Amino acid sequence: NAGVTQTPKFQVLKTGQSMTLQCAQDMNHNSMYWYRQDPGMGLRLIYYSASEGTTDKGEVPNGYNVSRLNKREFSLRLESAAPSQTSVYFCAGQLAGGIDNEQFFGPGTRLTVL
Amino acid sequence: DAKTTQPTSMDCAEGRAANLPCNHSTISGNEYVYWYRQIHSQGPQYIIHGLKNNETNEMASLIITEDRKSSTLILPHATLRDTAVYYCIVTSTGTASKLTFGTGTRLQVTL
Repeated sequence: NAGVTQTPKFQVLKTGQSMTLQCAQDMNHNSMYWYRQDPGMGLRLIYYSASEGTTDKGEVPNGYNVSRLNKREFSLRLESAAPSQTSVYFCAGQLAGGIDNEQFFGPGTRLTVL
Repeated sequence: DAKTTQPTSMDCAEGRAANLPCNHSTISGNEYVYWYRQIHSQGPQYIIHGLKNNETNEMASLIITEDRKSSTLILPHATLRDTAVYYCIVTSTGTASKLTFGTGTRLQVTL
């Protein structure tokens, strides 16, 4: 199993450009999450999907949109990138009702907006 | 979800036990205490969780006080590979658990 995978690993954008961060999991997770982590800070929740077909806002949703394409995939879109969105983005999955109910995180996407 | 308070940083000698404290005085009855760690800039990794009883697994032990207002994560024999940022998170379990990460405790394990 690959676990939780994210593409791309690195990305540099110019202000105003758009892009989509991809996340996929092969662990049969019901719930999926997108977080961002700024330097020296903890992770902050952007959006989450409790189950296929549903999405909800987290703590910092402004400037982002998400799509739960199917059970495996959860994408994060920046329509018009801004320097304030320079961050490391982590996707996570969770098997609701699992033994430990823990979240499994991907390796992250490092995004720089110039 | 309840807010947690952790020391900013701690040091531990390799081979010794690392005891990482966490205060969560506003925890609710249905909320669990979860611990994750983040090595370098990797994605966080689950360590252990508990409700009110002490818990142990292959990675660590979790001691929760009787009033549940604080807890301690114990790494019994710390190694250099345990150097990481450790996050204490209080959350209710359910269909989707929204985790609130603070700034955590930066544990430095030294020779």
